[in-house]
Amino acid sequence: AQTVTQSQPEMSVQEAETVTLSCTYDTSESNYYLFWYKQPPSRQMILVIRQEAYKQQNATENRFSVNFQKAAKSFSLKISDSQLGDTAMYFCAFMKPLGSSNTGKLIFGQGTTLQVKP
Amino acid sequence: DGGITQSPKYLFRKEGQNVTLSCEQNLNHDAMYWYRQDPGQGLRLIYYSQIVNDFQKGDIAEGYSVSREKKESFPLTVTSAQKNPTAFYLCASSATGVSNQPQHFGDGTRLSIL
Repeated sequence: AQTVTQSQPEMSVQEAETVTLSCTYDTSESNYYLFWYKQPPSRQMILVIRQEAYKQQNATENRFSVNFQKAAKSFSLKISDSQLGDTAMYFCAFMKPLGSSNTGKLIFGQGTTLQVKP
Repeated sequence: DGGITQSPKYLFRKEGQNVTLSCEQNLNHDAMYWYRQDPGQGLRLIYYSQIVNDFQKGDIAEGYSVSREKKESFPLTVTSAQKNPTAFYLCASSATGVSNQPQHFGDGTRLSIL
């Protein structure tokens, strides 16, 4: 069974600085998808960024980028130029690809609470 | 605008009572999901459905039931057999037939015991 681990329950960063959130996972699959979701105090789950395991290039979305290390099964999220609105809980998630069993089933880590300080 | 609507936002359950959480989507997605979130924890999958009239148990299905009679709707019933129902419940949907489709989430329902 797949597992996702986020080892940092809480983190803080000063506004405009850079912060990296860690995520490791365990799977025997060779092809899969990884996601980072953000959950602000409103509790809505918002997709931040996604990565296909077969792509070597790290995904980037504006101030958000990932460091995907497939061999190490590591998928960290870097937030550059942190803003107050980035304050939220961040979840790393794993998904098997279409065609295998449990298609579309997301497996979430425990989350990291990020506080951006002014 | 397309999206997922969950209702009610807050729900209270009495002992021995079944309650139903509503989830409606107008994204034309085939797949729908129900997750449970406990304080300070990640989401755990309760049930999911890839197509109308079909659904599968997730990791924590005991004490819950679902139906999928329409593509747009995937209601979740929390039965009296669920002894610890207090949690935040999130519904999600995604497209199928195309790989790497992310799940879109509703705003959630907070369920508490009276």
